[in-house]
Amino acid sequence: NAGVMQNPRHLVRRRGQEARLRCSPMKGHSHVYWYRQLPEEGLKFMVYLQKENIIDESGMPKERFSAEFPKEGPSILRIQQVVRGDSAAYFCASSPMRGGTDTEAFFGQGTRLTVV
Amino acid sequence: KNQVEQSPQSLIILEGKNCTLQCNYTVSPFSNLRWYKQDTGRGPVSLTIMTFSENTKSNGRYTATLDADTKQSSLHITASQLSDSASYICVVSAGGYALNFGKGTSLLVTP
Repeated sequence: NAGVMQNPRHLVRRRGQEARLRCSPMKGHSHVYWYRQLPEEGLKFMVYLQKENIIDESGMPKERFSAEFPKEGPSILRIQQVVRGDSAAYFCASSPMRGGTDTEAFFGQGTRLTVV
Repeated sequence: KNQVEQSPQSLIILEGKNCTLQCNYTVSPFSNLRWYKQDTGRGPVSLTIMTFSENTKSNGRYTATLDADTKQSSLHITASQLSDSASYICVVSAGGYALNFGKGTSLLVTP
């Protein structure tokens, strides 16, 4: 059973380009969470999705950022017109059910986005 | 505002020695507290998870304690190994999927 798979591991984009980050959850997991880790900072929640539904996007910047988790295929975090401040590590986590007292969320290895 | 504060920010110890990492939180309501280990360039991996009623939990050489009254937790590492070099992150949940992450303690174990 493969873990949470994220790709690419490293992504370099010029200012103004689009960045697409992909996350394949663990087999059997239907809940996906995206987090962003800025240098010297802790992970910050961005968005929580279930298949075909955005449950909570309260941590997403209002503009340029979007996320989806289609019925088939990986979850996608999309950043349009990237700026240097978007440079960070983006982590995806998945769980078999909505987070609760004992629910374990498993993290992928992250995508490191560098905007030049 | 829910906050999780960790100390020290970084720590260097000799191989074989013990160390203790601290976590103070203001998250309310409290559901559970987790300690994660994050190796450089990797995603966080869970070490322990504790609920309100649990005071201590061990995972091999890692022992976590929780004082829900003072809202403090510690992670004690016994007989450190070089492979323990990593960032250790305290994560407090208010219930549901909302996880509050500390900035982590960066541990370096030297020969």
